[in-house]
Amino acid sequence: EDQVTQSPEALRLQEGESSSLNCSYTVSGLRGLFWYRQDPGKGPEFLFTLYSAGEEKEKERLKATLTKKESFLHITAPKPEDSATYLCAVQFRGYQKVTFGTGTKLQVIP
Amino acid sequence: DARVTQTPRHKVTEMGQEVTMRCQPILGHNTVFWYRQTMMQGLELLAYFRNRAPLDDSGMPKDRFSAEMPDATLATLKIQPSEPRDSAVYFCASGLVTGGLYNSPLHFGNGTRLTVT
Repeated sequence: EDQVTQSPEALRLQEGESSSLNCSYTVSGLRGLFWYRQDPGKGPEFLFTLYSAGEEKEKERLKATLTKKESFLHITAPKPEDSATYLCAVQFRGYQKVTFGTGTKLQVIP
Repeated sequence: DARVTQTPRHKVTEMGQEVTMRCQPILGHNTVFWYRQTMMQGLELLAYFRNRAPLDDSGMPKDRFSAEMPDATLATLKIQPSEPRDSAVYFCASGLVTGGLYNSPLHFGNGTRLTVT
């Protein structure tokens, strides 16, 4: 069964301390990988789409990268407002549905 | 900005009662998803529709859950009878898919928080 695994489950950073979140998936063929941010009490908010290995996308302090087996969300010099749960989702080849990982809860301390 | 609208935002009900959750997808989107989110399981796909036709509802307990799209502006998720284990946040999401690819990413509503006592 195709699966999406995120690590770590939770991450606590000091403001300005850069780090990376990981999303790995079973290699049965990828059509698209999506990163979302979710704030408490709200629905996930779209950040990036990646389609092929080697692709990179950036937005402010966030940068998403993709290899054949995993994706990373790099957070450079985070601020407290970056605190949220970050979700990775995958559309596997041959399927229309989008499967989500369980997320990484990020806390950035001032 | 166009948004997915879900109602109600919160619902508290007693075990055995019927619950109906509604979703207005973004105009022009042809694919609608229902997800359930819990602390233990994360986001689980319940069902999804393309051009109002159900494509997959294998994630739903068929004996109590049903999902429909009466028209392009309304998707509903019903639970009858509801049970305490159904307590969760239910999200609707919509997107535009062409040729199997997502031309637009999934956009989510803010969910319905369901509590069954």
